[in-house]
Amino acid sequence: DVVMTQSPLSLPVTLGQPASISCRSSQSLVYSDGNTYLNWFQQRPGQSPRRLIYQVSNRDSGVPDRFSGSGSGTDFTLKISRVEAEDVAVYYCMQGTHWPFTFGPGTKVDIQ
Amino acid sequence: QVQLQESGPGLVKPSETLSLTCTVSGASIDSHYWTWIRQTPGKGLEWIGFMYDNGDSSHNPSLKSRVTMSVDTSKNQFSLKLTSVTAADTAVYYCARFARDPEFRGQGTLVTVFS
Repeated sequence: DVVMTQSPLSLPVTLGQPASISCRSSQSLVYSDGNTYLNWFQQRPGQSPRRLIYQVSNRDSGVPDRFSGSGSGTDFTLKISRVEAEDVAVYYCMQGTHWPFTFGPGTKVDIQ
Repeated sequence: QVQLQESGPGLVKPSETLSLTCTVSGASIDSHYWTWIRQTPGKGLEWIGFMYDNGDSSHNPSLKSRVTMSVDTSKNQFSLKLTSVTAADTAVYYCARFARDPEFRGQGTLVTVFS
């Protein structure tokens, strides 16, 4: 299985400051159709995961533009330009290129 | 707006079969992939499998042959059966739309394997 690694696993942030989460895969996530199936999810306490970003950098409808995704191949990043209180959550990357699809362990973002 | 609702028993005895149904509203079950994912404190988020509206499916090899998925287009529902459950199958089970880039549109349902 493709192993997804995230860093850091815990990220204390200051309101209004930027935050960045790294995700690395054990294999390239470029699929045979040319797309890269790397997604980012946000899971707030007590809620189900919510997809924020799909195919590396496409923001879902309703997701604030302070969230952005980038990367290629095996290295990917989720950035929050200015953290707000509602961004306290666990963030997961997930690859949909190689079956079985796999998630990273999650990065817990909270306010310091 | 697309919504998914998981339903099924919250308690299952060891060695028995876990059965869950996902009811889709706001979209037709036709022409889409539908997915089951579970979450445990220990293993995190884990793919169970996905299926197409024609019944073609793929399940996680880690679950061996314990998984069966099916779709009922007349009811706009799809289902999961997991046989021979153990305590390790205790988890929150989610159904989702799409496969390679899933959308979680339900609340999930906690299933506890408990004797």
